[in-house]
Amino acid sequence: DIVMTQTPLSLSVIPGQSASISCKSTQSLLHTDGETYLFWYLQKPGQSPQLLIYEVYKRFSAVPDRFSGSGSGTDFTLRISRVEAEDVGTYYCMQSIQLPRTFGQGTKVEIK
Amino acid sequence: QVQLRQSGPGFAKSSQTVSLACAISGDSVSSDTAAWNWIRQSPSRGLEWLGRTYYRSRWSKWHNDYAASVRGRMDIIPDSSRNQFSLQLTFVTSEDTAVYYCAREDSIIFDYWGQGTLITVSP
Repeated sequence: DIVMTQTPLSLSVIPGQSASISCKSTQSLLHTDGETYLFWYLQKPGQSPQLLIYEVYKRFSAVPDRFSGSGSGTDFTLRISRVEAEDVGTYYCMQSIQLPRTFGQGTKVEIK
Repeated sequence: QVQLRQSGPGFAKSSQTVSLACAISGDSVSSDTAAWNWIRQSPSRGLEWLGRTYYRSRWSKWHNDYAASVRGRMDIIPDSSRNQFSLQLTFVTSEDTAVYYCAREDSIIFDYWGQGTLITVSP
């Protein structure tokens, strides 16, 4: 199975500042079709995970452009610029290049 | 807009069978591009993918995949007449206590999730 490792596990951010979360996989997520199957989700307290970023850097419908993804191969980063109070929750990376689908441990973001 | 609505009991006794249903609106369980997944979340295991079902018209058949941790105890059953899919997990133990989610996977993207159902397994 592909293991997804996120750092840090928690983050406290002042509103208006930026935050970055790293995600590393034990195998390359680059598919032979040329796409890289790395996704980012946000789980707000008491809610289901919601898709933010797919295929490394593509923002899902209605996701603010404050959220951006980057990376390649096995190393990926989610960046949140100008953090707002509504961004609190736990962020997860996930791979879907192979079964089983696997998730990172999560990074809990709170506002200072 | 796709919506997934989960239903089913929130508790079970050890060694019993847990059944959950996920009703789909805005898409079809027999879609040629989607797969229908179950995922669970617990403090000890985090988010854990359990399995999926999908239909492909070029084969005229359904296909299921399961995680090794539940293979042999879990069945995912599509129901075209009700446009839903169900999870059945047999011989449950306290290790199966978790929040269970259904989710659509469209072209490998997990884009829509159900609201989640807490299943508590008692001794």
